This record gives sequence, C-alpha cells and structure tokens, in this order.
Amino acid sequence: DTGVSQDPRHKITKRGQNVTFRCDPISEHNRLYWYRQTLGQGPEFLTYFQNEAQLEKSRLLSDRFSAERPKGSFSTLEIQRTEQGDSAMYLCASSGGAGDIQYFGAGTRLSVL
Amino acid sequence: AQTVTQSQPEMSVQEAETVTLSCTYDTSESDYYLFWYKQPPSRQMILVIRQEAYKQQNATENRFSVNFQKAAKSFSLKISDSQLGDAAMYFCACGAGSYQLTFGKGTKLSVIP
Repeated sequence: DTGVSQDPRHKITKRGQNVTFRCDPISEHNRLYWYRQTLGQGPEFLTYFQNEAQLEKSRLLSDRFSAERPKGSFSTLEIQRTEQGDSAMYLCASSGGAGDIQYFGAGTRLSVL
Repeated sequence: AQTVTQSQPEMSVQEAETVTLSCTYDTSESDYYLFWYKQPPSRQMILVIRQEAYKQQNATENRFSVNFQKAAKSFSLKISDSQLGDAAMYFCACGAGSYQLTFGKGTKLSVIP
C-alpha cells in the first residue's frame, strides 16, 4: 500500500485556463475527501465521495469546480476558468469509513498567474 | 457545523522538554471525533492522535497525549521529550456527521536544540 497519491504536485496556470487534478486513494478505502488549504490556514473541506457517489459539497465549491470519482476508485477535481483566488494547496484524503482516520496525500499546489 | 479554534499561532520548546498545544472546539453533534494532525514543511499531513468523544480516557501515542475536557470543549496536545523532528505545523480537527473534518488554523511548533 503506497498511501494516497496526488498528481501533479505543482501546477502553474494562467488565469482563465482549466486545470484538473487527480487523486488515487488507498485501495481499500471507500471514502474520499477533497480539501483546500491556503497559506496560513488549516484545510477547508470541499467535497466527499462514498464509493462513486458524491454525497456532500461545501459552499466553497463554486460552479467552476467539479469533482468525479468514476468506479469508486481514483478521483479528479477540475477547476474551470481559474482565478487568482483559486491559488492554494488542494489536498485529497481517504478513509475506510465514518470516524476512521483520514489519510492525506501530499497535495497539489496550484498557482494561478 | 463545527468550529475549531487554536489560539497559539506559534510555540517553541527546548529539545527534550514538554510542550502543550491548545485547542477548543464547538459542535452540536453528540457523536464526534477529535484529531491532531502534524504537517512538516512541504510534506504531507500525518495523524498524530485521535480521540473518540464518547471515551472518557485520554488518548496516548508514545510521547503524545491529549487532555480531553468534554464539558469545556477543550482538546489539548502534550508532546513530551520533544525532538527536532517534532517541528511542524500542528492542526486540531473535529469530525462529525459525514465525517468531513473541520480544522483549526494551526500552531507552528519550533524545537530549539
């Protein structure tokens, strides 16, 4: 088991471009979470999946954000028409069930120029 | 909804000494979990310790222990025999309901040789 992996580790893009991040959870985990962390802050919840179903979305997740988890395995987070305010670290975590420990990936750092 | 407050933006401790990081939280849930996560510079977040709210006994993991005061909604982390590798950002988090985590803003711990 290699833990939660995220790709890419860093992404630099120009304002208005679309970006997509990928997260591969720990293989036996059925829950997958996305968080956003800005400088000097703790992570903030964006959305979570149980298997392939997206069960909850934060109000932080504007219409420009979309997340998928096809087949209940890996997940993608897409940001359309990026804005400078989207610059942040995007963290993925997975867990085996409610109340279980969430294991985090190393994150994808997005810089929007 | 949960709120988590960490009132100490920065702390320092001499190597081999003991330090306590403070955290207070608020939740309307009766069943919830509390966590301390460690985030070393440019590295992924890892779990330090987990406390189930229904358990009165304070959790302990080697040099790390918590003081869980449920009535006061306080959840402090004590690090004994501090080591240089303990230097990191420490985040307190609360999970309930769907078990998305709500994080505090973090405490930066420095360990002085």
